Amino acid sequence: DSGVTQTPKHLITATGQRVTLRCSPRSGDLSVYWYQQSLDQGLQFLIQYYNGEERAKGNILERFSAQQFPDLHSELNLSSLELGDSALYFCASSAGQNYGYTFGSGTRLTVV
Amino acid sequence: EDQVTQSPEALRLQEGESSSLNCSYTVSGLRGLFWYRQDPGKGPEFLFTLYSAGEEKEKERLKATLTKKESFLHITAPKPEDSATYLCAVQAGSGGYNKLIFGAGTRLAVHP
Repeated sequence: DSGVTQTPKHLITATGQRVTLRCSPRSGDLSVYWYQQSLDQGLQFLIQYYNGEERAKGNILERFSAQQFPDLHSELNLSSLELGDSALYFCASSAGQNYGYTFGSGTRLTVV
Repeated sequence: EDQVTQSPEALRLQEGESSSLNCSYTVSGLRGLFWYRQDPGKGPEFLFTLYSAGEEKEKERLKATLTKKESFLHITAPKPEDSATYLCAVQAGSGGYNKLIFGAGTRLAVHP
């Protein structure tokens, strides 16, 4: 157990639907990062939050949004889902600058 | 643009056959280079962080080294349980910007 908790582990939904993925960071970590991993693309950075504030954005689609709450858990919202959004979505947390990430076990999203 | 390239894409070894994985990078303001191990369907697991050229770190059969333009992950006398995808990532930026940029990974298979 890495200390980063992601729910749900698996999600199957239809095209056009909206889903929410949840992440609880490791105790004491203020930064949360979201990554998408698909078979042909590797780990792609989506977005970073630090203590409730957005800090950096990667290749995140406009249909996707995220937030970090006062208790530091984070949610990634994916809407108007397409088949191509099927992927593993990972959350990671870190203690701050110059620290590596601790990853959760991921949410496998399948869009049918 | 910041970039991380790993080679080879895939590597097949016999048990006990030592080898090296390569990670070359182009980044402005490198703050750290990270190696992770990822098993199928699981989140990446942290292995090493390297901060400056000439630095080396070891853990069991793995040894990571860093130069100004690349890093190597040396695997000595590998065992089948070392089979996994090995990911390299670089950390760049300043202030609270702490994004890790990942390479596509090297898929290692060690056969008895």
